[in-house]
Amino acid sequence: DIQMTQAPSSLPASLGDRVTITCRASQDIGNYLRWFQQKPGKSPRRMIYGATNLAAGVPSRFSGSRSGSDYSLTISSLESEDMADYYCLQSKESPFTFGSGTKLEIK
Amino acid sequence: EVQLVESGGGLVQPGSSLKLSCVASGFTFSSYNMHWIRQAPKKGLEWIALIYYDSSNKYYADSVKGRFTISRDNSKNTLYLEMNSLRSEDTAMYYCAKTGFDYWGQGVMVTVSS
Repeated sequence: DIQMTQAPSSLPASLGDRVTITCRASQDIGNYLRWFQQKPGKSPRRMIYGATNLAAGVPSRFSGSRSGSDYSLTISSLESEDMADYYCLQSKESPFTFGSGTKLEIK
Repeated sequence: EVQLVESGGGLVQPGSSLKLSCVASGFTFSSYNMHWIRQAPKKGLEWIALIYYDSSNKYYADSVKGRFTISRDNSKNTLYLEMNSLRSEDTAMYYCAKTGFDYWGQGVMVTVSS
């Protein structure tokens, strides 16, 4: 099975900061990588698909990138509404696997 | 507007069975693969099952293989998850999602406890 190693697990940050969350795939997944945002008591929201494509309605301060087997989600200037949990997901092959999650919180 | 509405959750005893439903609207359900994903309390997301649009292929996470069955009725725009031999570790919020994971239901809670 493909393992997705996500880091950090917790990320204290200040409003206006540039923050980056990373997932590393244990095998080649190409660009079959999505990023999700989840707020307390809510369903996950797709933010990025195809590793680098911004989903509809997602603010442009969010971006996705890839370097080899490392995938990153970057928020260029943190806003209060961005405080949430973030997860990556590989959909290259079954079983699909999520990263363990990153809790983005106010420092 | 795309909507996915899950139902069928509840409190059940270990070893028992439960069947979840997910009613879809706002898109051509019969053209899309569908997923089930779960999230244990205070834990991360876990993908558990995929069914192709025509039910020709089904895939499962190892944690549920042999106990859970994903199915669909395209005439009713409904996705199902039949869960047997339930364990305490199956306690979670269960979500259905459209392929691409662009739309998710609101989730339904399943609690397995004696």
